[in-house]
Amino acid sequence: KAGVTQTPRYLIKTRGQQVTLSCSPISGHRSVSWYQQTPGQGLQFLFEYFSETQRNKGNFPGRFSGRQFSNSRSEMNVSTLELGDSALYLCASSWGTGLEQYFGPGTRLTVT
Amino acid sequence: AQSVTQLGSHVSVSEGALVLLRCNYSSSVPPYLFWYVQYPNQGLQLLLKYTSAATLVKGINGFEAEFKKSETSFHLTKPSAHMSDAAEYFCAVSEGGSNYKLTFGKGTLLTVNP
Repeated sequence: KAGVTQTPRYLIKTRGQQVTLSCSPISGHRSVSWYQQTPGQGLQFLFEYFSETQRNKGNFPGRFSGRQFSNSRSEMNVSTLELGDSALYLCASSWGTGLEQYFGPGTRLTVT
Repeated sequence: AQSVTQLGSHVSVSEGALVLLRCNYSSSVPPYLFWYVQYPNQGLQLLLKYTSAATLVKGINGFEAEFKKSETSFHLTKPSAHMSDAAEYFCAVSEGGSNYKLTFGKGTLLTVNP
């Protein structure tokens, strides 16, 4: 069974631009969560979607948003990029209870 | 609110030696606890999880962890380190129920010396 896939793997953007990251969960998984990983703040929860609805949300500004499609694929969008948004963005999927989350390889975003 | 503290940002052991990575948690409800491993330029891989069943949990690659409620700890151990164990290890807690977010510790980088 294929694992969680994230595209693109690497991305370079300029301050002020916006970016969209994509995540395809493991087949059959209905929950998708997003995390930001930085050297300073570590791993921080962004949001979680289940059946196209945002179920949980972390403490990030409104510039960070996401959505989930009917096939459980998810996208996250960051608008008006700042230098501090440079990070590894990880997507995780689970059946729905969320107790076992399976992570993708991440998208490395660099903002210049 | 829940939190996780990992004691020691860097642990160095010799190949064949005991690996002990420490994790203490804080949670207002009975927690679900996890250990993840991250190799360079990769995502997180689940090593093991505690979900209120047996307090001694066995995971992949010879790792195990013991849940001690009185000490609010969930330390990760492996009897004999292998070079391939060199990676960063993260302890995480979840409240479960309707809140599925994982709260992670800062991570411990494990170095294995030949």
